[in-house]
Amino acid sequence: KAGVTQTPRYLIKTRGQQVTLSCSPISGHRSVSWYQQTPGQGLQFLFEYFSETQRNKGNFPGRFSGRQFSNSRSEMNVSTLELGDSALYLCASSLTGDYGYTFGSGTRLTVV
Amino acid sequence: QKEVEQNSGPLSVPEGAIASLNCTYSDRGSQSFFWYRQYSGKSPELIMSIYSNGDKEDGRFTAQLNKASQYVSLLIRDSQPSDSATYLCAGGQYSGGGADGLTFGKGTHLIIQP
Repeated sequence: KAGVTQTPRYLIKTRGQQVTLSCSPISGHRSVSWYQQTPGQGLQFLFEYFSETQRNKGNFPGRFSGRQFSNSRSEMNVSTLELGDSALYLCASSLTGDYGYTFGSGTRLTVV
Repeated sequence: QKEVEQNSGPLSVPEGAIASLNCTYSDRGSQSFFWYRQYSGKSPELIMSIYSNGDKEDGRFTAQLNKASQYVSLLIRDSQPSDSATYLCAGGQYSGGGADGLTFGKGTHLIIQP
């Protein structure tokens, strides 16, 4: 059974650019979450999606956005990148959200 | 603001001993609690979930939940060097239409000394 797939694995972007990260959940999973992980702040919640609907959003600026498609695949977008956006971005999926989430390997974003 | 607090450690435990990891949470609406293990450079891996008060055992791992005290713990029996990792505690809410995302603690760094 395939796990959660995130692409790309690594990204280097310049300040002011925008970036789109992709996540394919485990087959059959309808809940997808996104998290930002940094050494200082740990894992911080970004978005929660269930059946194409955004159920919740974390305390991040409007430059961070996301969506979920009918096949449960999800994307997140960060516009006008700042140096502080450098982080590991993790996607996780769950059957319905009330069970544990399985994490992907993450996308390491570096903003220079 | 929902918060999950953990002692950052490092927590050093001799091989074969019991490792005890704790966390507290602020949101009384949280219904589900999880322990994740994260090795350096890897993504978090789910090791235990607990939803009701009491103990839940799975192999060498026991999770404990006390909703009145807003306290969650993880016991690792017969600790092995391979258990050395950062352990993340997380809590969340859910309804019939999905969940609201997990709130994570910053993790406890566990070191098992051979």
